[in-house]
Amino acid sequence: DQQVKQNSPSLSVQEGRISILNCDYTNSMFDYFLWYKKYPAEGPTFLISISSIKDKNEDGRFTVFLNKSAKHLSLHIVPSQPGDSAVYFCAAVEGGSEKLVFGKGTKLTVNP
Amino acid sequence: GAVVSQHPSRVICKSGTSVKIECRSLDFQATTMFWYRQFPKQSLMLMATSNEGSKATYEQGVEKDKFLINHASLTLSTLTVTSAHPEDSSFYICSASGTSGGDTQYFGPGTRLTVL
Repeated sequence: DQQVKQNSPSLSVQEGRISILNCDYTNSMFDYFLWYKKYPAEGPTFLISISSIKDKNEDGRFTVFLNKSAKHLSLHIVPSQPGDSAVYFCAAVEGGSEKLVFGKGTKLTVNP
Repeated sequence: GAVVSQHPSRVICKSGTSVKIECRSLDFQATTMFWYRQFPKQSLMLMATSNEGSKATYEQGVEKDKFLINHASLTLSTLTVTSAHPEDSSFYICSASGTSGGDTQYFGPGTRLTVL
């Protein structure tokens, strides 16, 4: 049973436009959420995180939104750049645990 | 950000041999290290969690006698795949979280294991 779901396996956007990556979760005990970026044959790179007490966190071109009632979070990248092309993983942590529960990832392609 | 290294980045071995993969936190002390495995086109699967000086905690379905994990210091954890078989071929990634707390894990670059 998948607790963290990324229902779009891929997303393609034009350079300069906004990329929106979505993530849904089912476990109401999750209280911390993270986004990682991953290139092929490399380890994931931490991008941005958000605590469940917040509904928005912004860092440069990256903004994460959390809607607790809908159990939904999204990562916005604006403006998108070709170098953003990678697989993006959503991950969640249950309160009191250190274990990351990952979604299956969304492959983002930013076209020049 | 924090840096985690893995060695080797790529290893090819014969069936039946053992392979050791090292994971090091270079600029912080890692109280907890995690070992993941990634299958092609799939998400990361947590194999085990190790705390410095303690026995690793393995996830259900992961053979602890096959995947030996040692976390001898705050900067080094090792994963040894014993008596490797072709089905053990995979991409193994470690991550570490530091003594400063928080839930952010920093990942190593991964190790590609191919068992012939």
